[in-house]
Amino acid sequence: SQTIHQWPATLVQPVGSPLSLECTVEGTSNPNLYWYRQAAGRGLQLLFYSVGIGQISSEVPQNLSASRPQDRQFILSSKKLLLSDSGFYLCAWREALNSPLHFGNGTRLTVT
Amino acid sequence: KQEVTQIPAALSVPEGENLVLNCSFTDSAIYNLQWFRQDPGKGLTSLLLIQSSQREQTSGRLNASLDKSSGRSTLYIAASQPGDSATYLCGGGSQGNLIFGKGTKLSVKP
Repeated sequence: SQTIHQWPATLVQPVGSPLSLECTVEGTSNPNLYWYRQAAGRGLQLLFYSVGIGQISSEVPQNLSASRPQDRQFILSSKKLLLSDSGFYLCAWREALNSPLHFGNGTRLTVT
Repeated sequence: KQEVTQIPAALSVPEGENLVLNCSFTDSAIYNLQWFRQDPGKGLTSLLLIQSSQREQTSGRLNASLDKSSGRSTLYIAASQPGDSATYLCGGGSQGNLIFGKGTKLSVKP
């Protein structure tokens, strides 16, 4: 069966520090991968999605970037965190556009 | 651009009551719609997925419908239980992505 792993679960980082959040999927190949951010009162915001290795689409211009170095690995990064980057970050995957979307357990990021 | 709205934002009902959660979307070219449940501090758990060619899907006490022409989906929960308390989100799929509403926070009182 397929599983998704996302870590860390919580993270507290100072303003200006770098960020790296990792997400991996097991039990499938060539999944579509997604990064969402959930902020209080704003709902789920799609940040990046990838349909294959090295293929990244950005939905919102911002302080973050994403990379997909391996088929089932998706990484969210920042060189210098801002206070506004605080939020709940969720990784998700699905096999195809008409397949169900499955989420990881999320990372709670607090930038201080 | 797809926009998804959920009404009401919050709902409190006594245990045992049947209830309906609403989701509306602006892009009728939607190719599927998915309902999720989110418990506090957790990720989203998929409940039901309705393809654009389908009218409804059922799983246990849950029934979701999709009406593309009116841009609406509903999630029906029968015989609600305290364990159903959570935030329910709908996501509309179009142009390769899933766009979400802000959710309905459901509280079922024992």
